Amino acid sequence: GAVVSQHPSRVICKSGTSVKIECRSLDFQATTMFWYRQFPKKSLMLMATSNEGSKATYEQGVEKDKFLINHASLTLSTLTVTSAHPEDSSFYICSAGNSVLETQYFGPGTRLLVL
Amino acid sequence: AQSVSQHNHHVILSEAASLELGCNYSYGGTVNLFWYVQYPGQHLQLLLKYFSGDPLVKGIKGFEAEFIKSKFSFNLRKPSVQWSDTAEYFCAVTSNYGGATNKLIFGTGTLLAVQP
Repeated sequence: GAVVSQHPSRVICKSGTSVKIECRSLDFQATTMFWYRQFPKKSLMLMATSNEGSKATYEQGVEKDKFLINHASLTLSTLTVTSAHPEDSSFYICSAGNSVLETQYFGPGTRLLVL
Repeated sequence: AQSVSQHNHHVILSEAASLELGCNYSYGGTVNLFWYVQYPGQHLQLLLKYFSGDPLVKGIKGFEAEFIKSKFSFNLRKPSVQWSDTAEYFCAVTSNYGGATNKLIFGTGTLLAVQP
């Protein structure tokens, strides 16, 4: 099946710094990638949808200047958490898909801890 | 507004018990429906999906789900659970065009604990 990877799997950073998370589709071309945030004991909250070569579409309430998304190629999307604060600590999950696939494929997630 | 509700937030069962997890959705159009599972420490995996045709769909690991259009429901079932089914289960819906390029709307999840 299709495989999606994320890097890093976990990261600890200081408040005020920026953190970049990568999402890669390893064996298929992902025209669309999605970024989710999962809070403890909560569901996945969609943050944004990114289409290769165009600007990401952010969900209501998600700050686009804080969560920068780049989808520069058909196999890579990045999420940069800028000026991270402790409340940004969470589990970030990406998924990838295209119009040929029936379902999206999910990455293993990145656990971010901001001190 | 599009939404998915899962009625059971936390379910505890003994091995060999039968399982049914409820899922209802609100969506203005033809939908594709999914159940995903997240085992402890692992990423989301697809259990089963419904796009069209037979409303009773079978997935991996003995799971099945039934789409009842009149009730806007897509309940997940398994006749006999195992300890290894301990996980969190998410119901999700998307529109039925565009393949895997449409955003998924997830329910809040049900945490299943199976006691040996």
